[in-house]
Amino acid sequence: AQSVAQPEDQVNVAEGNPLTVKCTYSVSGNPYLFWYVQYPNRGLQFLLKYITGDNLVKGSYGFEAEFNKSQTSFHLKKPSALVSDSALYFCAVRDIRTGGFKTIFGAGTRLFVKA
Amino acid sequence: DVKVTQSSRYLVKRTGEKVFLECVQDMDHENMFWYRQDPGLGLRLIYFSYDVKMKEKGDIPEGYSVSREKKERFSLILESASTNQTSMYLCASSPGTGLYEQYFGPGTRLTVT
Repeated sequence: AQSVAQPEDQVNVAEGNPLTVKCTYSVSGNPYLFWYVQYPNRGLQFLLKYITGDNLVKGSYGFEAEFNKSQTSFHLKKPSALVSDSALYFCAVRDIRTGGFKTIFGAGTRLFVKA
Repeated sequence: DVKVTQSSRYLVKRTGEKVFLECVQDMDHENMFWYRQDPGLGLRLIYFSYDVKMKEKGDIPEGYSVSREKKERFSLILESASTNQTSMYLCASSPGTGLYEQYFGPGTRLTVT
């Protein structure tokens, strides 16, 4: 079964500290993985994706994600958090069962960055 | 920049009303999607469309229908609104298949009383 899990409902971090938002996945075949961010009262914005290639993927706003096949994880990271990073983050995986049209989203992790 | 617009940011309707949510994208994308977002449940796919006049059910299609008469426009219809359809509705579009990211509209917060 295709699925994605975000084990933390909320992550708290102090400004300037590194942040990690966790994601694990379960897929048949090659995983195609995405991270999106939702700022208050706005739609989702694409951050980055892993399709193939380097395990470390760089994205928007200084975010990066590390693909780990053996641990089936795709954790989102940033070396130094900003208060403006406070938002809701969604991990997602392509659902190949429907020809790749569908994307399965995790439940979301709320990130709070404290000044 | 890709732009996905939704007809309303906030909408209040009464139980039993027929509700239309409109979505327009300006990037000639083949695929369009309707999701609902509820706290703790993430995004759940209601319907998607991969071409004009083509539609496929998502994970929670009951109580909803869709229409795609033009490539840029994808409408979600609540045939008879119920209180359990109170939610945030997000429209998205993407080119090609799931290798591509989706572009989202700002959302419509629908309240059914």
